[in-house]
Amino acid sequence: DAKTTQPTSMDCAEGRAANLPCNHSTISGNEYVYWYRQIHSQGPQYIIHGLKNNETNEMASLIITEDRKSSTLILPHATLRDTAVYYCIVRNNNAGNMLTFGGGTRLMVKP
Amino acid sequence: NAGVMQNPRHLVRRRGQEARLRCSPMKGHSHVYWYRQLPEEGLKFMVYLQKENIIDESGMPKERFSAEFPKEGPSILRIQQVVRGDSAAYFCASSPQSGTNTGELFFGEGSRLTVL
Repeated sequence: DAKTTQPTSMDCAEGRAANLPCNHSTISGNEYVYWYRQIHSQGPQYIIHGLKNNETNEMASLIITEDRKSSTLILPHATLRDTAVYYCIVRNNNAGNMLTFGGGTRLMVKP
Repeated sequence: NAGVMQNPRHLVRRRGQEARLRCSPMKGHSHVYWYRQLPEEGLKFMVYLQKENIIDESGMPKERFSAEFPKEGPSILRIQQVVRGDSAAYFCASSPQSGTNTGELFFGEGSRLTVL
């Protein structure tokens, strides 16, 4: 699976959009981009995934650049409960379901 | 529909004892994954199992650690002769069978092992 690079930490004001970037310049054509988050001491939680089109669900939006070398997870109206570590993961869906977690971005939502 | 259930949530063992961690996957899920998270570190893959089969154990330490997912009952992660370095949170995840492979894993709340 391709390697991802994320900022170590970010701050966001409550009620504002949180934009979390991820670089995956070595991504191959059959690899998906996944986002998970881990709120302190809890199990990781799936957020969203995509291949090349932008995706949106009730939690977030995923914007993938046309060359697929980077993506951005957008939390449209961040709340204090969105404070967590956010993991961007690239994975080949034909290679089994195992996910490899990197360091992630520690998002701190501040009042 | 109950989520992934792990027990115990907290376990304290003395050095040299055995630790057994249990994981019941979501209903209808036949794939189980174990991850370890050391304090202040990221999640590290340990082992991937299907019913009665170990599919990938590339992240499992070669000694003292074993995992099983029997035909009936929960998956078990067993750590023999625990040492202080085994103190960590152990997370279990499950997914449906590979025919519905979306890459989404459902995680439990973890079992926190403390070795004294």
